[in-house]
Amino acid sequence: AQSVTQLGSHVSVSEGALVLLRCNYSSSVPPYLFWYVQYPNQGLQLLLKYTTGATLVKGINGFEAEFKKSETSFHLTKPSAHMSDAAEYFCAVSGKAAGNKLTFGGGTRVLVKP
Amino acid sequence: EAGVAQSPRYKIIEKRQSVAFWCNPISGHATLYWYQQILGQGPKLLIQFQNNGVVDDSQLPKDRFSAERLKGVDSTLKIQPAKLEDSAVYLCASSLGRDRGLDTQYFGPGTRLTVL
Repeated sequence: AQSVTQLGSHVSVSEGALVLLRCNYSSSVPPYLFWYVQYPNQGLQLLLKYTTGATLVKGINGFEAEFKKSETSFHLTKPSAHMSDAAEYFCAVSGKAAGNKLTFGGGTRVLVKP
Repeated sequence: EAGVAQSPRYKIIEKRQSVAFWCNPISGHATLYWYQQILGQGPKLLIQFQNNGVVDDSQLPKDRFSAERLKGVDSTLKIQPAKLEDSAVYLCASSLGRDRGLDTQYFGPGTRLTVL
């Protein structure tokens, strides 16, 4: 069984400040981990994913995430927030044994203050 | 490259009525998924097709929900009869279907259903 916990349903950051979104997962098999972003009235767009290899993964729009197996975490960061980063972010887990089935966390809504 | 298309974008119905949603995946994508996203929650997989066969429908409420992908391309999700708790955004996604667990899923814009 797989599950994802995203700490904080809402995060408020100032423009130019660090964005940190927390994600912890549970998986009985080696996980594949994903971050998706959802803008209002739109579908989900893949930001980045970890499958194997390098644990620091770089994605689009300046985001990156680090897989830490010992902490079962996959936190998402961006050094400097931009107004366009205001959206909802979802962490998800899958795995080879899960047949590409994604299990999502509850999401974190990011508000960027000018 | 055209993305995943869904229609309608919005639908309002009364409880006990029926409703259908349509999805056209990205051309060449063998795998198609339907998700339910209730307000304030992450998407939940309802059903996954590989070509025209069902791979996983373990979370589909089969007493009222049905889905088909007859020719292995576009798909229809139906609810009959609808309940108040079915109010949600229904997302369709597709992927190439070649690498189990590694495929990137591409999402459509969703259909927002309101049941009154």
